[in-house]
Amino acid sequence: ETGVTQSPTHLIKTRGQQVTLRCSSQSGHNTVSWYQQALGQGPQFIFQYYREEENGRGNFPPRFSGLQFPNYSSELNVNALELDDSALYLCASSPSPGLAAVEQFFGPGTRLTVL
Amino acid sequence: SQKIEQNSEALNIQEGKTATLTCNYTNYSPAYLQWYRQDPGRGPVFLLLIRENEKEKRKERLKVTFDTTLKQSLFHITASQPADSATYLCAAISNFGNEKLTFGTGTRLTIIP
Repeated sequence: ETGVTQSPTHLIKTRGQQVTLRCSSQSGHNTVSWYQQALGQGPQFIFQYYREEENGRGNFPPRFSGLQFPNYSSELNVNALELDDSALYLCASSPSPGLAAVEQFFGPGTRLTVL
Repeated sequence: SQKIEQNSEALNIQEGKTATLTCNYTNYSPAYLQWYRQDPGRGPVFLLLIRENEKEKRKERLKVTFDTTLKQSLFHITASQPADSATYLCAAISNFGNEKLTFGTGTRLTIIP
């Protein structure tokens, strides 16, 4: 059984560019959630995907968008990058969509730096 | 607004002692609280989940309490070891029905040999 994997590990972009981050969920998990973690802060919920549909969203603007594929892997897209988007982006998979009562398995994250 | 606060940014504890971390929530009543461990440059790892009708939950050297009157959860590590050094995050659902998980800022725990 493989865990949650994310790619790339690190990424450097400039303001205004677009970025796509990728996540492979743990085997048997149909739900993927994305989080943004700024330095010294806790993760902030961006959105969740369940069976290829968005299933809840945090307080992030529409330039943050996502996709989930039939194999339950997922992408996070961020358009028009801003300096404040620099953060660790975490993907978490779980066997069902309920966040509160379900253990989430996090990937190692993608460190995005926006210059 | 709904908030989760972890009181200590950093905590240093002597090896062998009990480490106690605090998580307070304001302006709402979460049905569940979760605790995670995060090592530098890694994703959080789930440790324990406690429901509002559970006063206490244990797992090996870990214990979590949930006091809905005080709006507080305490996380204890007994017989602490240097390998327990990490950042510990508490998280709660912020909007029942929307199922959005809100994390605290974390407490960086260092166990001193």
